[in-house]
Amino acid sequence: RKEVEQDPGPFNVPEGATVAFNCTYSNSASQSFFWYRQDCRKEPKLLMSVYSSGNEDGRFTAQLNRASQYISLLIRDSKLSDSATYLCVVNTPSASKIIFGSGTRLSIRP
Amino acid sequence: SQTIHQWPATLVQPVGSPLSLECTVEGTSNPNLYWYRQAAGRGLQLLFYSVGIGQISSEVPQNLSASRPQDRQFILSSKKLLLSDSGFYLCASPAGGRYGYTFGSGTRLTVV
Repeated sequence: RKEVEQDPGPFNVPEGATVAFNCTYSNSASQSFFWYRQDCRKEPKLLMSVYSSGNEDGRFTAQLNRASQYISLLIRDSKLSDSATYLCVVNTPSASKIIFGSGTRLSIRP
Repeated sequence: SQTIHQWPATLVQPVGSPLSLECTVEGTSNPNLYWYRQAAGRGLQLLFYSVGIGQISSEVPQNLSASRPQDRQFILSSKKLLLSDSGFYLCASPAGGRYGYTFGSGTRLTVV
């Protein structure tokens, strides 16, 4: 089983739609979680951290479910500029390494 | 704030040639450093990580090696490149707490 798994997509949704991605992780000792956005041929950029209580940043909402070992990202009122690949990231300090999911491709159509 | 420099940005190398990619970090000391590779259309694969000078952990057996000669310098090398070494190479370091990880702008390597 992969340490971090994501649905690769692609998700192709119309502008204004709401879209959600999930990401599961295998190591229960993992402690911090993030969502990154990667545009074509660019380095990943931090979108948001994921807190245990859930957190929101504008149109973006992130949730963490430790019992089921998954994190989620919800994008509301999607914009054309949201088209990108979204990567979930899991940090396991005891293993001194950070693991990226393979990414979910999102394409927003007009 | 922390900044990661990587160079070169793009590189085309023949099969069998050597490789040296450099990553340097500014704005922090004794950072954990990571080398990732991303093949075309794929996710990021962790290659090496380092928690300090001279300390290298390898995640996957491969044709590459890494070294950490200085606190803020991380080097990825190969003696003889293979076609399968082509990809987008990224250096990363923790930015601290909720700020996640900082990435360099990457090196796009094409082995021909």
